[in-house]
Amino acid sequence: SQKIEQNSEALNIQEGKTATLTCNYTNYSPAYLQWYRQDPGRGPVFLLLIRENEKEKRKERLKVTFDTTLKQSLFHITASQPADSATYLCASPSNTGKLIFGQGTTLQVKP
Amino acid sequence: DTAVSQTPKYLVTQMGNDKSIKCEQNLGHDTMYWYKQDSKKFLKIMFSYNNKELIINETVPNRFSPKSPDKAHLNLHINSLELGDSAVYFCASSQQGGLGTGETQYFGPGTRLLVL
Repeated sequence: SQKIEQNSEALNIQEGKTATLTCNYTNYSPAYLQWYRQDPGRGPVFLLLIRENEKEKRKERLKVTFDTTLKQSLFHITASQPADSATYLCASPSNTGKLIFGQGTTLQVKP
Repeated sequence: DTAVSQTPKYLVTQMGNDKSIKCEQNLGHDTMYWYKQDSKKFLKIMFSYNNKELIINETVPNRFSPKSPDKAHLNLHINSLELGDSAVYFCASSQQGGLGTGETQYFGPGTRLLVL
């Protein structure tokens, strides 16, 4: 079955460092991947989309890559700040017309 | 404020009861969704409606019944609540529902359901 997997262990980093989160997919080839941010007690908020023919996408301190060979997307936050602490979800369309989500990786940025 | 709103935010109830969750979006979107997020944080789609028409109906017990009175509203009614129904339920909407275009989904704040 089509799956998206993210590292379920929390990622703890020091303020100012680059955070790198991983999203792996199996048994399908998504046309794009989306990244969402979810704060405690709130719904996910869209951050970035990267298509299969794009290697990299940037938005301010955020960068996303898409490697169709490795079947993986990496999500980077440079110069991380405590306010970046949240859970980050990746999502992609399945072959059956629905958006499937990974379980999210919780990022904790310490001052 | 333009947004997706849900009521109630918290719902604590006994097993066997029937409850409803309401969702409204004022973004002018054509498609609305219900998702369930379990304790392990997996977000799974339950239903989607496009212009009041059911498009996606995942393998969900028929105790769950969505209703869309108009394209701005999608309500979720749950009969005979069970312990395993405890979760956070999110409503979402998107412009047209065409996943091929990569359109963004806008989520509500969630309804935290606890069945005792």
